[in-house]
Amino acid sequence: AQKITQTQPGMFVQEKEAVTLDCTYDTSDQSYGLFWYKQPSSGEMIFLIYQGSYDEQNATEGRYSLNFQKARKSANLVISASQLGDSAMYFCAMREGPSNDYKLSFGAGTTVTVRA
Amino acid sequence: DGGITQSPKYLFRKEGQNVTLSCEQNLNHDAMYWYRQDPGQGLRLIYYSQIVNDFQKGDIAEGYSVSREKKESFPLTVTSAQKNPTAFYLCASSRGSGTYNEQFFGPGTRLTVL
Repeated sequence: AQKITQTQPGMFVQEKEAVTLDCTYDTSDQSYGLFWYKQPSSGEMIFLIYQGSYDEQNATEGRYSLNFQKARKSANLVISASQLGDSAMYFCAMREGPSNDYKLSFGAGTTVTVRA
Repeated sequence: DGGITQSPKYLFRKEGQNVTLSCEQNLNHDAMYWYRQDPGQGLRLIYYSQIVNDFQKGDIAEGYSVSREKKESFPLTVTSAQKNPTAFYLCASSRGSGTYNEQFFGPGTRLTVL
């Protein structure tokens, strides 16, 4: 079974608007971490934001925020005030605890294209 | 500057040849990882190592081998047994165990089998 599901293969967003990228996850661990990475066309993976399973507040980092709904097992990324440089592929990932050796599982990704 | 370096950036090899991809980090991280990425897809874990002289198979280890003789180095060998080796390979490292430890990635190596 997929541990991370990203259902949107591609999205278009107008410059300066907000966009929400969906991510649902599956785990039986109580302690886990959720990450979002950005991958531009150059191929590098850029860490954006982290949410711990015990964190009570949603994580925010500049224009990035994470809408964490634990009961629904979702961790959607919100990018506010989109910029042309935000065009990239975005990956949701989950790091589980010792039963899974702290490995990181990635979703299939969502390609975001920002239009001027 | 601290970071992860991978070399070469582009690599071409003939079918039947083994090839070794380099990964070096100066972040003093204990754990290192190798991922494979095919076009338009997510990352799949090949091998990982949590400490020196120890490593574990990931989800797609067949046809690959690794070593971890030094903390800062984790080379990946793509052997001739790997049936479809053309892909983008990413190396990563993290401080170690703990669900909160993010992974830092290198710039990647694009391997093409001719």
